[in-house]
Amino acid sequence: GAVVSQHPSRVICKSGTSVKIECRSLDFQATTMFWYRQFPKKSLMLMATSNEGSKATYEQGVEKDKFLINHASLTLSTLTVTSAHPEDSSFYICSASGGAGRGVGGYTFGSGTRLTVV
Amino acid sequence: AQRVTQPEKLLSVFKGAPVELKCNYSYSGSPELFWYVQYSRQRLQLLLRHISRESIKGFTADLNKGETSFHLKKPFAQEEDSAMYYCALSGLITSGGSYIPTFGRGTSLIVHP
Repeated sequence: GAVVSQHPSRVICKSGTSVKIECRSLDFQATTMFWYRQFPKKSLMLMATSNEGSKATYEQGVEKDKFLINHASLTLSTLTVTSAHPEDSSFYICSASGGAGRGVGGYTFGSGTRLTVV
Repeated sequence: AQRVTQPEKLLSVFKGAPVELKCNYSYSGSPELFWYVQYSRQRLQLLLRHISRESIKGFTADLNKGETSFHLKKPFAQEEDSAMYYCALSGLITSGGSYIPTFGRGTSLIVHP
């Protein structure tokens, strides 16, 4: 079945630095990728939707200059948290869709990245 | 707008008891609904979707458009069913033509021995 690989699984960085998280679809072409932030005991919050070759669409309240998303190929999307602050510490999850209709087969998720900003 | 509501944060049952995880949605069009499950220390994975009308691991879910619900049910819970369950709706379309999924806040199911 479809597999999405997300790296790193855990990262600790200093406040003010930037962190890049990669999301790769291993055996299918992901025309659309979604980036979520998951808060403890809360739902997945959609941050942005990225379509290959075009600019990402950010949800209301998400700073596009802080959370840079690049979807340069059909198998790779990256999320860069710039000038990270402790409040950015969270669990980030990517999800990919092959674009074959309305998530036919559902959406495939990466294993998530635990970001801790110290 | 599209919204998914899972009213229960936590559902605790004993093994063998019936389980119903509630999910209500709000969407003006014709939605597609899913249930995702996240076992401890594992990634989110698709459990079932309404269009397939299938039963996975003994779970079923029926879309009730009149009540705008998509409750997840299992007649006899097992300990291995303990996990976080998310209801999701796919309705809105991005400018690129992709459907955007919206998730409920999740319900933690604990099945006691």
